[in-house]
Amino acid sequence: ELKVEQNPLFLSMQEGKNYTIYCNYSTTSDRLYWYRQDPGKSLESLFVLLSNGAVKQEGRLMASLDTKARLSTLHITAAVHDLSATYFCAVDDGSEKLVFGKGTKLTVNP
Amino acid sequence: DSGVTQTPKHLITATGQRVTLRCSPRSGDLSVYWYQQSLDQGLQFLIQYYNGEERAKGNILERFSAQQFPDLHSELNLSSLELGDSALYFCASSVVLAGVETQYFGPGTRLLVL
Repeated sequence: ELKVEQNPLFLSMQEGKNYTIYCNYSTTSDRLYWYRQDPGKSLESLFVLLSNGAVKQEGRLMASLDTKARLSTLHITAAVHDLSATYFCAVDDGSEKLVFGKGTKLTVNP
Repeated sequence: DSGVTQTPKHLITATGQRVTLRCSPRSGDLSVYWYQQSLDQGLQFLIQYYNGEERAKGNILERFSAQQFPDLHSELNLSSLELGDSALYFCASSVVLAGVETQYFGPGTRLLVL
């Protein structure tokens, strides 16, 4: 059974700082997704990572995938308050089902 | 706005009751997924339909059922409700572009069972 672990679960950081969220998964998969969820809102797709070494960037967020280590990272550069949200990684289990991590609640303080 | 619509937005009901949640996918999307998000279980995949047929099943209770209609909208039926069924229920529809499937989530239905 595929398990997905994110850490940290809670992250409080100052504006302007850099940090990384980690997503580990237990079995081989060729697709990993990152989503953002604002409080009381739905999930917004951020990145889809398909292959080993894939790197995608959008603004201050950069996601990468290492399929050999079964690890994805979401790097935040020079955080701003607008990035405060909960970030989820999700892994395709090979049968078109997504298994989600518990989410990382990010708070960016001025 | 993802283009996926869900009704109702909020639902308050009592234990033992039955409710129906409705989802309309984005125009042209054939797949509909249902998820449950709760504080203790996190986000869990329930079931997927593709063009009217059940495609994949996750952690869906026997008290829950779903279907997708010819117009592609989907309904999730929850019966014999228990307190623990209180959660946010999302549906998502997906599109495959250049071989990559992306799911777009609706705004969710917040269910409170009292």
